[in-house]
Amino acid sequence: EIVLTQSPTTMAASPGEKVTLTCRASSSVSYMHWYQQRSGTSPKLWIYETSKLASGVPNRFSGSGSGTSYSLTINSMETEDAATYYCQQGSSYPPTFGAGTKLELK
Amino acid sequence: EVKLVESGGGLVQPGRSLKLSCAASGFSFNDYWMGWVRQAPGKGLEWIGEINQDSSTINYTPSLKDKFTISRDNAQNTLYLQMSKLGSEDTAIYYCARVADDGYGIWFAYWGQGTLVTVSS
Repeated sequence: EIVLTQSPTTMAASPGEKVTLTCRASSSVSYMHWYQQRSGTSPKLWIYETSKLASGVPNRFSGSGSGTSYSLTINSMETEDAATYYCQQGSSYPPTFGAGTKLELK
Repeated sequence: EVKLVESGGGLVQPGRSLKLSCAASGFSFNDYWMGWVRQAPGKGLEWIGEINQDSSTINYTPSLKDKFTISRDNAQNTLYLQMSKLGSEDTAIYYCARVADDGYGIWFAYWGQGTLVTVSS
């Protein structure tokens, strides 16, 4: 099973700050997908196939990476971006998720 | 609008069984793979398994293969998760999700609101 390691585990960012979350895979994967989960709600697809924004996702978000190293970047942090972000690989069975990065507003 | 609504959760005693349902609407249910993902309280996400359009292929995460059974009824636009021999480790929110696949792997395009299963005596 491919293990996904997300870093940092928790971080706080100020409004307007640039934020980068990383996800490292124990083996190479074709793509990485990201989900946003706000407190008390179900996860939402946020970025798929490494860099494609899901419907309704603001364009201050972007995704990049290849092989074993991937990242999600927020160009300019906004209040509504405070949430936990999970990466997920579906290239190898079973599909696995990272443990999440909790992003808080400073 | 894609809508997935889980039901059937609740308090169940250790060792007992429980069957969850997921009612789908807003899309052609029989055109899509569907799956289940769970989240223990305060923890991350765990893929349980998936089922293809005509139920001919069902995949499970290895640790749950002998305990959980996924099925679907395309006439009723409903996905099911039959859980048996439940233990405290199965306490979680259970989400159904519509699966997307680009040929290089799968992801979960839409999620339900989840149903909480609590295993306790």
